[in-house]
Amino acid sequence: SQQGEEDPQALSIQEGENATMNCSYKTSINNLQWYRQNSGRGLVHLILIRSNEREKHSGRLRVTLDTSKKSSSLLITASRAADTASYFCATAPYYNQGGKLIFGQGTELSVKP
Amino acid sequence: NAGVTQTPKFQVLKTGQSMTLQCAQDMNHNSMYWYRQDPGMGLRLIYYSASEGTTDKGEVPNGYNVSRLNKREFSLRLESAAPSQTSVYFCASGGGQTREQYFGPGTRLTVT
Repeated sequence: SQQGEEDPQALSIQEGENATMNCSYKTSINNLQWYRQNSGRGLVHLILIRSNEREKHSGRLRVTLDTSKKSSSLLITASRAADTASYFCATAPYYNQGGKLIFGQGTELSVKP
Repeated sequence: NAGVTQTPKFQVLKTGQSMTLQCAQDMNHNSMYWYRQDPGMGLRLIYYSASEGTTDKGEVPNGYNVSRLNKREFSLRLESAAPSQTSVYFCASGGGQTREQYFGPGTRLTVT
């Protein structure tokens, strides 16, 4: 079964607003990653945060990780219509098994111009 | 540098037919993966190959077989397609120290 659970399942905002997506997981992890999927395309890696990190930034993206609560959040600041996509969290379990990741069910983000 | 390529992009099968989905990567990754994506279910791992010559079952392997032909290529075979296998199939490679994965564009399969 999928380890990650994402919240909300869908999010609709106006251009310029911030978008926050949350991810919860169940087991110990080595790292947590966020991916983006545009409609009809494959997933693209956005950002990775290691289990010993609490916050990471990349451009307009900010990721936080709370290992005590087994949760992470992805913040997209000053959103644009081009940010419209599905966003998935993926956890890399502490014990590596073939490099497997466990994906959440995703948050569908719609940014209206 | 094409990354991860998949063929075909679209396929329609009748129940009971067989087919092979092809995947190739040019990033010299050791690990390769096959996922299926269904509405509301996220990505589910079908099979993976941690290195050339090895394959292992994922979360939903029933009805599928795989072959790791060489380091570059990893194919997924449906021996007798069923309507429940209607889905979008993604191949990915990666699994290095960070376990970041790189995805192909997907194959949209419909089984009637």
